[in-house]
Amino acid sequence: SLLTQPPSVSGAPGQTVTISCAGNDSNLGAGYEVHWFQFLPRTAPKLLIYANTNRPSGVPDRFSGSKSGTSSSLVITGLQADDEAEYYCQSRDRGLRVFGGGTRLTVL
Amino acid sequence: QAQLLQSGSELKKPGASVRVSCTASGYTFSIHAMHWVRLAPRRGLEWMGWISTITGTPTYARNFAGRFVFSLDISVSTAYLQINNLTTDASAVYYCARLSDVGDSEVFDLWGRGSLVTVSS
Repeated sequence: SLLTQPPSVSGAPGQTVTISCAGNDSNLGAGYEVHWFQFLPRTAPKLLIYANTNRPSGVPDRFSGSKSGTSSSLVITGLQADDEAEYYCQSRDRGLRVFGGGTRLTVL
Repeated sequence: QAQLLQSGSELKKPGASVRVSCTASGYTFSIHAMHWVRLAPRRGLEWMGWISTITGTPTYARNFAGRFVFSLDISVSTAYLQINNLTTDASAVYYCARLSDVGDSEVFDLWGRGSLVTVSS
């Protein structure tokens, strides 16, 4: 993937976890926005963060996003059991839409 | 409430074809382009391309030109993905995703649950 995510992260309930999304000068460094999605088995994927930092209505403020240069991060505070899921970043690379490799979040 | 309802799992033999459907409800189908995304083992998420729900014109990502065909039936607010001459590496979950303008951004704000396609002899 042109966007690199850690394969897995974990945290205990109540803790804070950060999922990184590293790009390069042809994608994040070129100014393209980053969006974050949550994938749960047998459910429709959910948009968590759009345009780097914005939360759609209905997404708890425990989820926040940031972007700086060629990298972006998704931060989840107050970890809950139902946050256990796969998380993907998405942006553009030379105009084409690309996804990160995904990060499996385990709630201990 | 807007939703995208996708067809169920498919088990196909190599060389066969399969068609996945994605039926929209709760919003005006023609306002939003429909995109297709694949989640395959060891390949992760891949953007496959999109189809204009106004003109029906498909656009394919480089890796998906050829055996993959996007189409529409506007009368039933449904987008289709057909995969021809299936090979085992086409085994994956296929998602449809609506593209929306949110603020100044274009985002996939609504997804189907995915359709599992398994290719096996």
